[in-house]
Amino acid sequence: SYVLTQSPSVSVAPRQTARITCGGNNVGSKSVHWYQQKPGQAPVLVVYDDRDRPSDTPERFSGSNSGNTATLTIRRVEAGDEADYYCQVWDGSSDQVVFGGGTKLTVL
Amino acid sequence: EVQLVESGGGLVLPGRSLRLSCKDFGFIFGDYTISWFRQAPRKGLEWVGFIRSKAHGGTTEYAASVKGRFTISRDDSKSTAYLHLNSLQTEDTAVYYCARVVTTIVVEYYFDSWGQGTLVTVSS
Repeated sequence: SYVLTQSPSVSVAPRQTARITCGGNNVGSKSVHWYQQKPGQAPVLVVYDDRDRPSDTPERFSGSNSGNTATLTIRRVEAGDEADYYCQVWDGSSDQVVFGGGTKLTVL
Repeated sequence: EVQLVESGGGLVLPGRSLRLSCKDFGFIFGDYTISWFRQAPRKGLEWVGFIRSKAHGGTTEYAASVKGRFTISRDDSKSTAYLHLNSLQTEDTAVYYCARVVTTIVVEYYFDSWGQGTLVTVSS
């Protein structure tokens, strides 16, 4: 089955740039979607189709996807961005939704 | 505004069954595929399965880990989807979420609106 790999944690100072990666075999051929989950809350879609943003996602959030790595980039990080971030794809070969293990973003 | 509300969680004995509900309060429910997920305590998100809209055949897909034990159904007249949990085990303890599915033009799926979740605790 298809596997997505995320680093367990990323730490960044306020107003700096955070990059959260999601690795998978030829993930660049798939559409990657990203979710933010704050403690005690439901996940929220922040990026879809590799790089598109829902209307209420700040422009500071952007996505890219190429080769074996997809990346969620958060510019000018704020304390309110502290959360777990999950990448997700659809694996058509097995008809399964696949999530990465999640990355905890800590704002120092 | 899209609003999904889950209900039906609670404490259940191992081996028993439970039915969770996911009701829509903000969109044309019948037009959408609905998915279920779970999140065990201090763990990541796990997809459980989804049920397509009638326009897309009303068929279901399940995660390999729950196939044969969990079943998803829907009643569009009640704007509600259901997750039937059978033969529950302690490892099924989790918050269960439902979400609205977006089907892309190339037939891939993502989830644009989520409910707040309902907690299922399996314990003797």
